[in-house]
Amino acid sequence: GAVVSQHPSRVICKSGTSVKIECRSLDFQATTMFWYRQFPKQSLMLMATSNEGSKATYEQGVEKDKFLINHASLTLSTLTVTSAHPEDSSFYICSARRPRAGSFEQYFGPGTRLTVT
Amino acid sequence: GQQVMQIPQYQHVQEGEDFTTYCNSSTTLSNIQWYKQRPGGHPVFLIQLVKSGEVKKQKRLTFQFGEAKKNSSLHITATQTTDVGTYFCAGDYNTNAGKSTFGDGTTLTVKP
Repeated sequence: GAVVSQHPSRVICKSGTSVKIECRSLDFQATTMFWYRQFPKQSLMLMATSNEGSKATYEQGVEKDKFLINHASLTLSTLTVTSAHPEDSSFYICSARRPRAGSFEQYFGPGTRLTVT
Repeated sequence: GQQVMQIPQYQHVQEGEDFTTYCNSSTTLSNIQWYKQRPGGHPVFLIQLVKSGEVKKQKRLTFQFGEAKKNSSLHITATQTTDVGTYFCAGDYNTNAGKSTFGDGTTLTVKP
């Protein structure tokens, strides 16, 4: 099946530093990828839609200058959390859709657990 | 706004009992997807339903999409301990093409 990888799986950083998270679709091309945030025992909150070759589309309430998204190729999207603060600590997950005839399959990466101290 | 409501939030069953989770939207969905997330893991795609009234089966799992394309259900027959996890539905709307709105999930625990 399709695989989406994400790196790193865990990161601990100090307040004020920036962290880059990579999301790769390993066996299919993804013109669109999605970035989610998930708090413990809660649902997934869509942060932004990453579009290859163009600007990301951010959901209401998500600071685009804080969560920088770059979709440099058809298989790679990156999320950079800039000037991280403890409240940014969370589980960040990316996903990509692989088209099927008349439908699609959506695959999630394994997630990145960010802890800001 | 467009919301997908999912119930129940939690379900505890004895192994061998059946389990059902329900999703409802106030507006028509273009499609609905179902995912399973094990504790500590990430969501894993189970299935997508597109057609009105569609029913799909995967072994002990039965997925239904309502005639009006506003509701969906996932039914597990004779639960096993391996079914433990949180089941999410996610719906796409025609007006928000390409993005899924997730339900809050139903967390299933199975007592052996």
